[in-house]
Amino acid sequence: DAKTTQPPSMDCAEGRAANLPCNHSTISGNEYVYWYRQIHSQGPQYIIHGLKNNETNEMASLIITEDRKSSTLILPHATLRDTAVYYCIVRANYGQNFVFGPGTRLSVLP
Amino acid sequence: GAVVSQHPSWVICKSGTSVKIECRSLDFQATTMFWYRQFPKQSLMLMATSNEGSKATYEQGVEKDKFLINHASLTLSTLTVTSAHPEDSSFYICSSPGLAGGNEQFFGPGTRLTVL
Repeated sequence: DAKTTQPPSMDCAEGRAANLPCNHSTISGNEYVYWYRQIHSQGPQYIIHGLKNNETNEMASLIITEDRKSSTLILPHATLRDTAVYYCIVRANYGQNFVFGPGTRLSVLP
Repeated sequence: GAVVSQHPSWVICKSGTSVKIECRSLDFQATTMFWYRQFPKQSLMLMATSNEGSKATYEQGVEKDKFLINHASLTLSTLTVTSAHPEDSSFYICSSPGLAGGNEQFFGPGTRLTVL
């Protein structure tokens, strides 16, 4: 079973920030938090990952709480092309498969 | 980042026939390849893990004689759906951990199989 829980769906207005929450209350000390997204009928696309510090890249920011029991993915200026299912996954070791939960279906509205 | 390709991107076949799906790592050597399937409106489910030069390991409930996996080289893993039936219609996705020590996992674009 997936170790994370996410809201099933969210809406966001185009141009606004999209904040996607994820709970991972049973995360272990050596487990990373990963975010992937899947646009309809495509393979999952890597967004960002982190261990305990906040991370930022050209796509998004990842905010991890100090106790590491939850995190938030932030898309700073959502566009229509960001409409997708967003998956929050925790995983420890290199080489292990990812266990996908149902994710959050983000709809960016014009 | 590393690139994983799949071929074909979609396939339609008749019930009872076999279909082979190829997964290639284009710019790295993939010692491990994961195969997932995804039914409509559902999440990805791991089917099996293939390791180069050894037998694949299958998840519970996945028939190893029906879903044949071959990982004969460091850049190619294949999934063959034997005697396909309409209930095998799904989106099949492969992925690889990529370079040793890296944290990302690289996914192929997926193959949509429709069995008539």
